[in-house]
Amino acid sequence: QQQVKQSPQSLIVQKGGISIINCAYENTAFDYFPWYQQFPGKGPALLIAIRPDVSEKKEGRFTISFNKSAKQFSLHIMDSQPGDSATYFCAANNQGGKLIFGQGTELSVKP
Amino acid sequence: EAEVAQSPRYKITEKSQAVAFWCDPISGHATLYWYRQILGQGPELLVQFQDESVVDDSQLPKDRFSAERLKGVDSTLKIQPAELGDSAMYLCASSLGFNQPQHFGDGTRLSIL
Repeated sequence: QQQVKQSPQSLIVQKGGISIINCAYENTAFDYFPWYQQFPGKGPALLIAIRPDVSEKKEGRFTISFNKSAKQFSLHIMDSQPGDSATYFCAANNQGGKLIFGQGTELSVKP
Repeated sequence: EAEVAQSPRYKITEKSQAVAFWCDPISGHATLYWYRQILGQGPELLVQFQDESVVDDSQLPKDRFSAERLKGVDSTLKIQPAELGDSAMYLCASSLGFNQPQHFGDGTRLSIL
């Protein structure tokens, strides 16, 4: 019940395309859902986050869509660029603060 | 932009040796976390501090791992003795408080020979 399942494991997108990464959770106590971007040799960097009282949040080219009834959320990267090539992690936590991470998606954006 | 500082960036040591990692969180952040990230996986929480107190160490292998945050600011994570399976990235994160955005440092890459 503490797991966050992320898919796909890897994704190849052409420059200018849309990258979509999906996550699903079981624990209905989760109330904060961040996405992190990680480059090789670096720590995860907070990209965008959402709380379950909204169904969508957009920041620049990055959008989170949230479906509370389905217990699913997804990251959409519009106009994907080669510089977006990285590993993306979804995560979830409850008021205890402990983040539960997905397994990660390795995104490659081809020029 | 303020950052979480970690040192060393890399550590290579032999099994059975002791190893220590240091973390300086973003100024004013009361909550500090240590995560372990195995290559190809997401980070997993080892220990969480609120100021100088441990809030959650349920996933910390206490027979060999210890963590402290004596003055509620910087923190040290120690492994004694190190085992081959401890090879991983050790990440520190901090946040203003519970359920606030967590910001990560660049980690310490540990290799056990």
